Amino acid sequence: AQSVTQPDARVTVSEGASLQLRCKYSYSATPYLFWYVQYPRQGLQLLLKYYSGDPVVQGVNSFEAEFSKSNSSFHLQKASVHWSDSAVYFCALSMYYNQGKLIFGQGTKLSIKP
Amino acid sequence: DMKVTQMPRYLIKRMGENVLLECGQDMSHETMYWYRQDPGLGLQLIYISYDVDSNSEGDIPKGYRVSRKKREHFSLILDSAKTNQTSVYFCASSLAGNTGQLYFGEGSKLTVL
Repeated sequence: AQSVTQPDARVTVSEGASLQLRCKYSYSATPYLFWYVQYPRQGLQLLLKYYSGDPVVQGVNSFEAEFSKSNSSFHLQKASVHWSDSAVYFCALSMYYNQGKLIFGQGTKLSIKP
Repeated sequence: DMKVTQMPRYLIKRMGENVLLECGQDMSHETMYWYRQDPGLGLQLIYISYDVDSNSEGDIPKGYRVSRKKREHFSLILDSAKTNQTSVYFCASSLAGNTGQLYFGEGSKLTVL
């Protein structure tokens, strides 16, 4: 069965430091992959998406993610975090035939230290 | 304005009472969704609607039903709510055939006592 795993429930980094949030997926073919962000008391917002092509995709607010088929991973990265990046980040997977149904990971809560 | 609106945002009910959660979108999206979010579990799909009166079960439909009589409006109904249905419920919408780019509402927090 298809699944998404975010191994880190919580991550804390200092403001200005670099960030990597990990995402591993399980799916036999190449999936469509997404990162969503949820700010406090808000719904989820799309950060970036990968469908095919260049394995490094750029998103909003200087986030990027790298797809690796060999590692079944789609890690989210940012070179320098800001306090406003504090949020919960969700990795999600969709199969092309699945008409928009998303399978979500458990989420990673990111906290930024001043 | 590209918005998904959920009502009510907060709701407290007693076990056995009926619950109606409502969702509206202004983007004329064909597809709409109901998810629930529980700590440590991410989001789980309850129902998906491909258009008016074209609804399909998601991964956890038991205990829920939905209604979509207008394209812009999608309701989630809990007949005789249970305490384990305490959760945050999210509505979302997307274009038809979309491969995962969803627009989410701000959520409805339901507490069943």
